[in-house]
Amino acid sequence: KAGVTQTPRYLIKTRGQQVTLSCSPISGHRSVSWYQQTPGQGLQFLFEYFSETQRNKGNFPGRFSGRQFSNSRSEMNVSTLELGDSALYLCASSPLGRASEHEQYFGPGTRLTVT
Amino acid sequence: DQQVKQNSPSLSVQEGRISILNCDYTNSMFDYFLWYKKYPAEGPTFLISISSIKDKNEDGRFTVFLNKSAKHLSLHIVPSQPGDSAVYFCAASKQTGANNLFFGTGTRLTVIP
Repeated sequence: KAGVTQTPRYLIKTRGQQVTLSCSPISGHRSVSWYQQTPGQGLQFLFEYFSETQRNKGNFPGRFSGRQFSNSRSEMNVSTLELGDSALYLCASSPLGRASEHEQYFGPGTRLTVT
Repeated sequence: DQQVKQNSPSLSVQEGRISILNCDYTNSMFDYFLWYKKYPAEGPTFLISISSIKDKNEDGRFTVFLNKSAKHLSLHIVPSQPGDSAVYFCAASKQTGANNLFFGTGTRLTVIP
């Protein structure tokens, strides 16, 4: 079974620009979550999508947004990029079922550098 | 506000010995706890988990212990192997039905051959 894939793997953008990152979950997984990883902050939850609906949202400004398509693929968008947005952005998918829904399977991440 | 804390940024252990990684949390609403391992340039990989109704869960060389009264959990790796060298993240989840994990800042484990 293919794992979670994220594209692109690396990205360099300039302050003020916007960026769109893509995530394809494991086949059959309907929940997709996004996390931001920065040094010293660990992984911080951005948002979760389930069946094309945002089910939960972390404490990030409105410049961070996302969506999920009917095939469970997800995108996240960051507008008006700031230097502090430089981070590794990780996508994770989860299977259905209470027992395992907390177990998330992560992609390799997209390394975003804002200059 | 960091609700899950890993106070040791790094740990070095000799091969064959026990590695103990610690994690503390502040939110009593957390009901599920997980450990993830992360190698450079890869996403975190799920390792082991424990529900709040248990105090111990074992999977091969990995055992997680949960002390709810102390709001503390630990991961024991016995015996430690050089391939275990990675960053280990502790994570916690609330009983909300929504998938957001609260992660610690990670502990870098180095197993010395």
